[in-house]
Amino acid sequence: GAGVSQSPSNKVTEKGKDVELRCDPISGHTALYWYRQSLGQGLEFLIYFQGNSAPDKSGLPSDRFSAERTGGSVSTLTIQRTQQEDSAVYLCASSSRGAGWETQYFGPGTRLLVL
Amino acid sequence: GDSVTQMEGPVTLSEEAFLTINCTYTATGYPSLFWYVQYPGEGLQLLLKATKADDKGSNKGFEATYRKETTSFHLEKGSVQVSDSAVYFCALMDSSYKLIFGSGTRLLVRP
Repeated sequence: GAGVSQSPSNKVTEKGKDVELRCDPISGHTALYWYRQSLGQGLEFLIYFQGNSAPDKSGLPSDRFSAERTGGSVSTLTIQRTQQEDSAVYLCASSSRGAGWETQYFGPGTRLLVL
Repeated sequence: GDSVTQMEGPVTLSEEAFLTINCTYTATGYPSLFWYVQYPGEGLQLLLKATKADDKGSNKGFEATYRKETTSFHLEKGSVQVSDSAVYFCALMDSSYKLIFGSGTRLLVRP
């Protein structure tokens, strides 16, 4: 089947606006992860979902960041009142017990630029 | 907390040269270890993994051995190709299944 997909692939927004980033995991994958890749911070974990619940939100950098997952499938990462330091590539990954929880499959990412 | 340290890049090699990219980790317990690769313009791909001490992960001619004694997971390839030019990330999986990445090492292979 298809891999992890993310939309939009690119997003340019103005400082202070809200943005929503979408992730469609591989069908049947119950675990979903959001990461961020930025020049200054490298690759960093944001949040982890198992089904619709998020047992680990420890990587969300501020309360402007939130995420939800519905139906155990699609996830949306929302950034409110965007700041220039939010500019980064946001990566989504998914995994399943069948494939071994250790193997995370990554999507192509959403490149966010905050002007 | 858990962390991964890998050698700074860029690493520039001629085709058919031997490659080593060093990676060490700090963690409680014995986490699974990974190398991911990001080719230009592409997403992050799993290259290889090892889930316990002394395991050797291998793929596409690349190898890495999980060394508990030295807390290392160095990536090696005997003969690199131009097509291996990419950014390589070492990572560990912590107890809550999230990946903790090193800073990445850019490899440039010249013909």
